[in-house]
Amino acid sequence: KQEVTQIPAALSVPEGENLVLNCSFTDSAIYNLQWFRQDPGKGLTSLLLIQSSQREQTSGRLNASLDKSSGRSTLYIAASQPGDSATYLCAVDSGNTPLVFGKGTRLSVIA
Amino acid sequence: GAGVSQSPRYKVAKRGQDVALRCDPISGHVSLFWYQQALGQGPEFLTYFQNEAQLDKSGLPSDRFFAERPEGSVSTLKIQRTQQEDSAVYLCASSLPTDTQYFGPGTRLTVL
Repeated sequence: KQEVTQIPAALSVPEGENLVLNCSFTDSAIYNLQWFRQDPGKGLTSLLLIQSSQREQTSGRLNASLDKSSGRSTLYIAASQPGDSATYLCAVDSGNTPLVFGKGTRLSVIA
Repeated sequence: GAGVSQSPRYKVAKRGQDVALRCDPISGHVSLFWYQQALGQGPEFLTYFQNEAQLDKSGLPSDRFFAERPEGSVSTLKIQRTQQEDSAVYLCASSLPTDTQYFGPGTRLTVL
């Protein structure tokens, strides 16, 4: 059974810092991995999707990497801003199956 | 175009009441998923439809939970005799086969 773990559970940083969020998964036979953002009381917004054949994806200040063999992904946020404050969720898709989510990392960026 | 919509956005129920949560997927999306997200947790899978067929309901926590999608579009998640542990955000997602899932805003259910 696939299990997804996210570290740290919570993170508080001053504005402008670069930061890394970590995600690990137990079964490397994945189809893709996705990072989501969730604001309080809101649904999920997809940030980046990495196919199993890819090593990384970039969107603006966000960069996500995938090391399938070691079961790890990282989300790098450059030059953090207060507007980046949210919960970040990592989810694994094993193909034609529901997504398996981690518990998320709650990020606070302090102005 | 319109995304996934869910209604109601918030629902307060007394313990023992029945509730019905609605999901309107993106037009043309054949796959529809329901997830349950408890406070401070990641979403957990409940059930999956492909068109009107419920292909996987292994995540439904008890026989009090029932989902349907009779015409392969709108889906309803029904919870009978609600309990306090049913309090959570219920998320619906839709997709094309093997494509990215698009999530709705969720319904926050509070059982008193």
